[in-house]
Amino acid sequence: DTAVSQTPKYLVTQMGNDKSIKCEQNLGHDTMYWYKQDSKKFLKIMFSYNNKELIINETVPNRFSPKSPDKAHLNLHINSLELGDSAVYFCASSQRYSGDTQYFGPGTRLTVL
Amino acid sequence: AQKVTQAQTEISVVEKEDVTLDCVYETRDTTYYLFWYKQPPSGELVFLIRRNSFDEQNEISGRYSWNFQKSTSSFNFTITASQVVDSAVYFCALTYGGGRANNLFFGTGTRLTVIP
Repeated sequence: DTAVSQTPKYLVTQMGNDKSIKCEQNLGHDTMYWYKQDSKKFLKIMFSYNNKELIINETVPNRFSPKSPDKAHLNLHINSLELGDSAVYFCASSQRYSGDTQYFGPGTRLTVL
Repeated sequence: AQKVTQAQTEISVVEKEDVTLDCVYETRDTTYYLFWYKQPPSGELVFLIRRNSFDEQNEISGRYSWNFQKSTSSFNFTITASQVVDSAVYFCALTYGGGRANNLFFGTGTRLTVIP
């Protein structure tokens, strides 16, 4: 059983397109996250949701919009894709938030041409 | 402000050698949590260990051990008798306790290559 899953695993698209990445966790966790890993492997948080409520919203272009339909799902929609959006996007979840271990999904490699 | 420094960008060792990956952190919080994650060539992020700021006991798990020293703000990771399967990028990370946020601050990672 996959604890945190993401779809798709690879996403190749043209500049200007709109795309979505889906994330689901079956751990019963309350909090979910999106992280971006750039080409130099640096990991940075983008968003955090606790029980469908947005908690963390780092300095991310408003072309990125997270949506949490329920506490087991956190999707990431990206409008008007740019070359600089090419990266690996990781979803994660944790029991609650304060100091709890975050478990990561397999990542989605987004390539914008 | 939270900051994690992994000064070793890349390390290469020959199989069966011991290797230590360094992690130095900065925080003003008294309650905080430290983590190590492994990212093998397949790309996923694998959780290895979590430590809270009130527990300075060293931990051993098989060939892995961790040395947490608040006096030097370090949380180092040692692999004993390294194996080829240990080849990966290892990340140290920090988050603070309390509040409603759990932003993991990652170091820049150390790429470990174990040569057979």
